[in-house]
Amino acid sequence: SSELTQDPAVSVALGQTVRITCQGDSLRSYYASWYQQKPGQAPVLVIYGKNNRPSGIPDRFSGSSSGNTASLTITGAQAEDEADYYCNSRDSSGNHLRVFGGGTKLTVL
Amino acid sequence: QVQLVESGGGLVKPGGSLRLSCAASGFTFSDYYMSWIRQAPGKGLEWVSYISSSSSYTNYADSVKGRFTISRDNAKNSLYLQMNSLRAEDTAVYYCARDKTIFDYWGQGTLVTVSS
Repeated sequence: SSELTQDPAVSVALGQTVRITCQGDSLRSYYASWYQQKPGQAPVLVIYGKNNRPSGIPDRFSGSSSGNTASLTITGAQAEDEADYYCNSRDSSGNHLRVFGGGTKLTVL
Repeated sequence: QVQLVESGGGLVKPGGSLRLSCAASGFTFSDYYMSWIRQAPGKGLEWVSYISSSSSYTNYADSVKGRFTISRDNAKNSLYLQMNSLRAEDTAVYYCARDKTIFDYWGQGTLVTVSS
């Protein structure tokens, strides 16, 4: 079982805003990072730290955090945003292990 | 540009061994931690192991501890994963990734299938 919990599936209408959440005790101490994975492809980092986007990631992607919950928001979702999204952080044991959430399948309607 | 290329995957019988490699280029390999991350067919991502820039520190997921060994050769810009006592549940695509606690670059992965 994962120490980070995500909803298995979320849907959004084209052009609307969607929030994908990630819950876990370690998120009270560490930021989450977020990865987008399309079928047959390697994951791609989309958000890290407080709210940072790597070069080339559209600014419709943003991140936030409150308490034990991290969120990835897509403002004005596009068809190409349909993908699996995974959060990642350190584990809560203090052993500096890395842990992923179970992933959220985003469908753009 | 940063490039990570995994190799060494294949079909292996339960109880067997396999060594994965990851060739890095486009950055100063010896400056970075590196990780292995895997994904079983149709499943989510699972972090497997990391190694510090100078090999001083390693860490493993409980699911592979005692069976897998991560190593690196900074002179060859290469990362390795020695996998022993393989089980069916180790079947997955294995990715190497540059580890800054965030995984900012990933390889395309190599498939490991454990089956009799």
